[in-house]
Amino acid sequence: AQSVTQPDIHITVSEGASLELRCNYSYGATPYLFWYVQSPGQGLQLLLKYFSGDTLVQGIKGFEAEFKRSQSSFNLRKPSVHWSDAAEYFCAVAGAGNNRKLIWGLGTSLAVNP
Amino acid sequence: NAGVMQNPRHLVRRRGQEARLRCSPMKGHSHVYWYRQLPEEGLKFMVYLQKENIIDESGMPKERFSAEFPKEGPSILRIQQVVRGDSAAYFCASSPNSGGTEAFFGQGTRLTVV
Repeated sequence: AQSVTQPDIHITVSEGASLELRCNYSYGATPYLFWYVQSPGQGLQLLLKYFSGDTLVQGIKGFEAEFKRSQSSFNLRKPSVHWSDAAEYFCAVAGAGNNRKLIWGLGTSLAVNP
Repeated sequence: NAGVMQNPRHLVRRRGQEARLRCSPMKGHSHVYWYRQLPEEGLKFMVYLQKENIIDESGMPKERFSAEFPKEGPSILRIQQVVRGDSAAYFCASSPNSGGTEAFFGQGTRLTVV
């Protein structure tokens, strides 16, 4: 079955510290991979996506993610976290066909200490 | 180019009433996806529509829920005889004709059933 696992429900980091959010997926073929961010009461903003090519992708707000096929992972990283990064982060996968419905992880809630 | 517009942003309904959620996709987008975000359950795909066609409704509850995307006008997600368990955030996303690489999300409609 297709699924996305985000092992960490909640993470707290200090401002300026590095960040890594984990994402593992189970999918029949190589999927399209996404990271979204959601602030409280807000919509979903795309941080970055991977379709093919270079397995290290750069996104907005200084985020990057690395696709590792052997580990079925697509972890999100940021070298130095800002207080404004506190939010809910979702990993998602979609198929490569015309139907791009997203299968979501349950999310990781990020808190940032000053 | 306006983004994906959802209205209303907040909707309160009494048990047994009907809820109608509207989604106007981005200009030039003919694909619409609906997702539901339930507390503690994360985001779930509901339905994928193209103009005048339901392509994939595998995530729709079997009863009380319906969706349409007419030739003219917004996509509508309709929930009949709402129950407290329908309280959730409902998100719409749109994408261009097949070949688009991502879907763009609206701000969501937060439905509260009292």
